[in-house]
Amino acid sequence: AQKVTQAQTEISVVEKEDVTLDCVYETRDTTYYLFWYKQPPSGELVFLIRRNSFDEQNEISGRYSWNFQKSTSSFNFTITASQVVDSAVYFCALTSDMRFGAGTRLTVKP
Amino acid sequence: EAQVTQNPRYLITVTGKKLTVTCSQNMNHEYMSWYRQDPGLGLRQIYYSMNVEVTDKGDVPEGYKVSRKEKRNFPLILESPSPNQTSLYFCAARTGLGEQFFGPGTRLTVL
Repeated sequence: AQKVTQAQTEISVVEKEDVTLDCVYETRDTTYYLFWYKQPPSGELVFLIRRNSFDEQNEISGRYSWNFQKSTSSFNFTITASQVVDSAVYFCALTSDMRFGAGTRLTVKP
Repeated sequence: EAQVTQNPRYLITVTGKKLTVTCSQNMNHEYMSWYRQDPGLGLRQIYYSMNVEVTDKGDVPEGYKVSRKEKRNFPLILESPSPNQTSLYFCAARTGLGEQFFGPGTRLTVL
């Protein structure tokens, strides 16, 4: 069965700390895409990144980085030097049947 | 500006009163979806459409209907809403690579 697990329901950090959000997925597909979306307190869903199953290179975008490991079926998201504006719910998603994880609520305290 | 619009943004209604939430996209994407978001459950797909006149059930289709008569519009219909359909609803239009553009959400309360 296709499944996305975000085991961390809530994480709280202090500004400037690094934080990693975990995402583990299950799929029988050989070709698939993984995504991360951000939902800030205002409620909209914002696309952050897409990664295809054939590309295991890590990606960095400013303070954000993503670690895709096919061997462990994980697609983890790290925020370096977190800021209050990073406070949001973050969702990991898998193209297979468009499965979303339950989300991780990140709170960054000043 | 590329966008997905939903209306209404907020709705309070009573059990059994039919309602429609509209969704429209201006990006010419073939694939559209409806999701509901509930605490602790993330986003669950209600229905999706891969093209005009083609719709299919997602994970939680019970109590909902959709139609796709034109590419840009994908309304969600609740024929007889019940309190367990109180939720936050998102419409999305999707690219061929799976990236989804979401509408702003509709917060529905069924009393």
